[in-house]
Amino acid sequence: EDKVVQSPLSLVVHEGDTVTLNCSYEVTNFRSLLWYKQEKKAPTFLFMLTSSGIEKKSGRLSSILDKKELFSILNITATQTGDSAVYLCAVEARANYGGSQGNLIFGKGTKLSVKP
Amino acid sequence: EAQVTQNPRYLITVTGKKLTVTCSQNMNHEYMSWYRQDPGLGLRQIYYSMNVEVTDKGDVPEGYKVSRKEKRNFPLILESPSPNQTSLYFCASSLFRVTDTQYFGPGTRLTVL
Repeated sequence: EDKVVQSPLSLVVHEGDTVTLNCSYEVTNFRSLLWYKQEKKAPTFLFMLTSSGIEKKSGRLSSILDKKELFSILNITATQTGDSAVYLCAVEARANYGGSQGNLIFGKGTKLSVKP
Repeated sequence: EAQVTQNPRYLITVTGKKLTVTCSQNMNHEYMSWYRQDPGLGLRQIYYSMNVEVTDKGDVPEGYKVSRKEKRNFPLILESPSPNQTSLYFCASSLFRVTDTQYFGPGTRLTVL
């Protein structure tokens, strides 16, 4: 059965700390891995990763994928209270019979709390 | 303004009473999807649609139906709701594929008594 496992499930840090969030996966016919940030509303897209070893970066956030070891990490440096959110990892897992892709499997998320 | 709208935003209903949650996007996106979010279970995909008249099951399709008769609309139908369908539902759309930037609707909180 396809699955995506995130760790830790929750994390409390202080402003200025650096955090690393983990996402491991076991899926059939892996295509891509995505990271989302969810505050008190709908998720917002952060990164999409398809190739191993290529870091994606946006400001203080960065992410990398290891397709051999089947995991990804999301790093946040110099955390701020505005980074407090649930971070979701999702994997595009399989093609349907028609050959197109559309199915996403999400992990349960990591709840990050950044204290002043 | 580019957006995904869902209606209703909140709904309390009773077991067995058919309901429809509407989803509409104004970005001419081809891909649309429905998710449910439950505490401790994260987001789970219910159904998705790659284009008009093309729909496919996600991970948790049981008890739900969808239709895609027009590009902009993707309603979620619960023919006979049950309490285990109490959840927060999100509709999302993206240009062509699920891995294109997905725009999520504001969510519909459904309670089935």
